Amino acid sequence: EVQLVQSGAEAKKPGESLKVSCQTSGYNFPNNWIGWVRQTPGNGLEWMGIIYPGDSDTRYGPSFQGQVTISADKSINTVYLHWSSLKASDTGMYFCARRTAGGSEIDYWGQGTLVTVS
Amino acid sequence: QSVLTQPPSASGTPGQRVSISCSGSPSSIGSNTVDWYQHLPGTAPQLLIYENDRRPSGIPARFSASKAGTSASLAISGLQSQDEADYYCAAWDGSLNAYVFGSGTRVTVL
Repeated sequence: EVQLVQSGAEAKKPGESLKVSCQTSGYNFPNNWIGWVRQTPGNGLEWMGIIYPGDSDTRYGPSFQGQVTISADKSINTVYLHWSSLKASDTGMYFCARRTAGGSEIDYWGQGTLVTVS
Repeated sequence: QSVLTQPPSASGTPGQRVSISCSGSPSSIGSNTVDWYQHLPGTAPQLLIYENDRRPSGIPARFSASKAGTSASLAISGLQSQDEADYYCAAWDGSLNAYVFGSGTRVTVL
């Protein structure tokens, strides 16, 4: 059974750094693109970016390029989302999301990590 | 501002049919397949439709979708109270080199 389990909620101050994680199981981690989606009340769902753990090829959505870093650790089947300097506008719910092997759709989601910056 | 445009809301009474539109561009819907997601508050989104009109296993046949040109639509027939949720279309955009979501439509069952 495929599972994506995210780290817990975070409360941070502007300017602080943060790394949230998503540990996966039940499938061959290097072989599927996996990434992050942000949900905010005002903007709905926003695709942040994805990484192919097999070779670390990474793509970012236009609004998130240079704002966050997505990385993966193949040894522990885990993907990360990192901010070096948080802003209040980074407040939101963050979902890790696995893309199907052959298409662009997201077939499995993590449970979500609430990040509050204030 | 979302690249894919959806109406902010739609509603219907139980048993009715509700349709949601999704308008894109030649580089998004015009060149790639469309997916649809259902998002209930407090939960993770769920894939409802992929590759324009295909349903994953476990998704009822009440949910159907189509695509024509740079637009797509999702239909929910036999509306039920548990269908109250936010619905998002999504597609790869070749110009942005990104997967883009629609603005979302809140479906209310009256």
